[in-house]
Amino acid sequence: SQTIHQWPATLVQPVGSPLSLECTVEGTSNPNLYWYRQAAGRGLQLLFYSVGIGQISSEVPQNLSASRPQDRQFILSSKKLLLSDSGFYLCAWSSWAAPYEQYFGPGTRLTVT
Amino acid sequence: ELKVEQNPLFLSMQEGKNYTIYCNYSTTSDRLYWYRQDPGKSLESLFVLLSNGAVKQEGRLMASLDTKARLSTLHITAAVHDLSATYFCAVVPMRGDMRFGAGTRLTVKP
Repeated sequence: SQTIHQWPATLVQPVGSPLSLECTVEGTSNPNLYWYRQAAGRGLQLLFYSVGIGQISSEVPQNLSASRPQDRQFILSSKKLLLSDSGFYLCAWSSWAAPYEQYFGPGTRLTVT
Repeated sequence: ELKVEQNPLFLSMQEGKNYTIYCNYSTTSDRLYWYRQDPGKSLESLFVLLSNGAVKQEGRLMASLDTKARLSTLHITAAVHDLSATYFCAVVPMRGDMRFGAGTRLTVKP
């Protein structure tokens, strides 16, 4: 069966520091991968999605970036965090056969201080 | 651009009562998803609705889709405390990516 992992689970970082969040998927090949952000008490905002290694599409211009160095690995990064980057970051995957059925990871709660 | 509106955004109800959450969307779609999120947790898929008139039920929850009206409903029957959570609908347009509603925070009180 497929599983999706995210780490760290919780992160507290000062403004201006770098960020690296990692997401990995097991049990499937060539998944579509997604990064979402959820601000406190709000809905989900799609940040990035990827249909293959090195293929990244950005939904919203911001100081975040994403990379996909391996088939089942998706990384969310920032060179300098802003206070507004605080939130709950969710990674999700879908299969190429059913691209719209997304399965979510456990999430990373980021607090920028 | 696709807009997805849920209402109500906050819902407090007594155990044993019935209620409906509405999800309206602004463009043609025949794929709609309902998710549940417990506080501090990730999203759990509840229902996938893939055609006009689709109806799915799981326990005390029933979801339906009317693609002509661009409306989905999530009906809660005889609510229990365990149903307290935030419920999201998500719509996939004919062109573009999945968009989520803002969520409905449901609290079921004894």
